[in-house]
Amino acid sequence: DQQVKQNSPSLSVQEGRISILNCDYTNSMFDYFLWYKKYPAEGPTFLISISSIKDKNEDGRFTVFLNKSAKHLSLHIVPSQPGDSAVYFCAASARETSGSRLTFGEGTQLTVNP
Amino acid sequence: GAVVSQHPSWVICKSGTSVKIECRSLDFQATTMFWYRQFPKQSLMLMATSNEGSKATYEQGVEKDKFLINHASLTLSTLTVTSAHPEDSSFYICSASKDYPVGEQYFGPGTRLTVT
Repeated sequence: DQQVKQNSPSLSVQEGRISILNCDYTNSMFDYFLWYKKYPAEGPTFLISISSIKDKNEDGRFTVFLNKSAKHLSLHIVPSQPGDSAVYFCAASARETSGSRLTFGEGTQLTVNP
Repeated sequence: GAVVSQHPSWVICKSGTSVKIECRSLDFQATTMFWYRQFPKQSLMLMATSNEGSKATYEQGVEKDKFLINHASLTLSTLTVTSAHPEDSSFYICSASKDYPVGEQYFGPGTRLTVT
């Protein structure tokens, strides 16, 4: 049972344009969501997070949007840069019941073309 | 801050031998550490959660006798793959969690295990 899903395995955008990565979840107990960036043969790097009491969180070029009713979140990167090319993982936790335990999506490979 | 290291970064071993992977939080105390494995082009699958000084909690389907986890201190957790087989070949990643905010984990660089 895949509780966190990233339906797009890959995304390609032009440098300077917006990248939008999507994530859906099924567990209504999830109350904290995170995005990680990962390069091959390296561990994930934390990018940005959002609590379920918010619908938007912004940090520089990265903005995460949360739609609780739709159980959907998205990561916007603008403007996209070639160095953003990596695999992006969406993750979720149910802090009340499971503490720090994270459930990851399958990842989306983002390629930003110069 | 929040740096996590893993050692070794890659290891090749023969089938039937045991391999130990270390995970250290370098600049903070981690009450909780997590072990994941990742197959090519797949998600990170949580194997177990370990709290300092107590037994690890294993995810369903993970053999605790095969994947021995020890969390002896607030900065060190080890994963030992016992009697390794080729199907254990994978990328193993650890993470460490600070107390606050709950849910934020800091990941190590991973260990590539190849069993021949």
